[in-house]
Amino acid sequence: DAGVTQSPTHLIKTRGQQVTLRCSPKSGHDTVSWYQQALGQGPQFIFQYYEEEERQRGNFPDRFSGHQFPNYSSELNVNALLLGDSALYLCASSLTSGVSNTGELFFGEGSRLTVL
Amino acid sequence: QKEVEQNSGPLSVPEGAIASLNCTYSDRGSQSFFWYRQYSGKSPELIMSIYSNGDKEDGRFTAQLNKASQYVSLLIRDSQPSDSATYLCAVETGGFKTIFGAGTRLFVKA
Repeated sequence: DAGVTQSPTHLIKTRGQQVTLRCSPKSGHDTVSWYQQALGQGPQFIFQYYEEEERQRGNFPDRFSGHQFPNYSSELNVNALLLGDSALYLCASSLTSGVSNTGELFFGEGSRLTVL
Repeated sequence: QKEVEQNSGPLSVPEGAIASLNCTYSDRGSQSFFWYRQYSGKSPELIMSIYSNGDKEDGRFTAQLNKASQYVSLLIRDSQPSDSATYLCAVETGGFKTIFGAGTRLFVKA
């Protein structure tokens, strides 16, 4: 049973560049959430995708955007990178059943982004 | 007021003792509550979920929920050095958004 997979695991960018992070959800899951975790902090909710649409968004600027594909995989794009975007980016998958989301999140190992 | 608040710790307990971790939340309409464990350098791992008032036990772990007080707790009995990690309280607010606290670091001394 494949878990949540993320790529790349590490990457280094310079200010102003753009980055794309990828995520494949756990088998059987249809919902993908993205989180940003700075060192020593809890994960901060960026957004959630379901049925190829952004269903919910946290307090992140429009520089952060995403996409979900028909196979439920997802991408997180960050434009015009700032030093403060350096963090661990976590993808979490879950299952939406009917109108409810089970809420139980399964995380990938994350993509560690360093912005110089 | 933060949406989910936890004492950052560190909380240090001797091996074999009970570790008690606490969390409060601000959204009174929240219905789903979770505890995640995160080892250093790793991603969070779900260890407990609780949806109704009272206690829920799973092995050495007991989650407690009091919606009237907007309070969630996690008890770890017979703590082991392998339990040393950061414990994240998470609350699913209305609208499919799960919010995490900053986490409590737990150290279990052998």
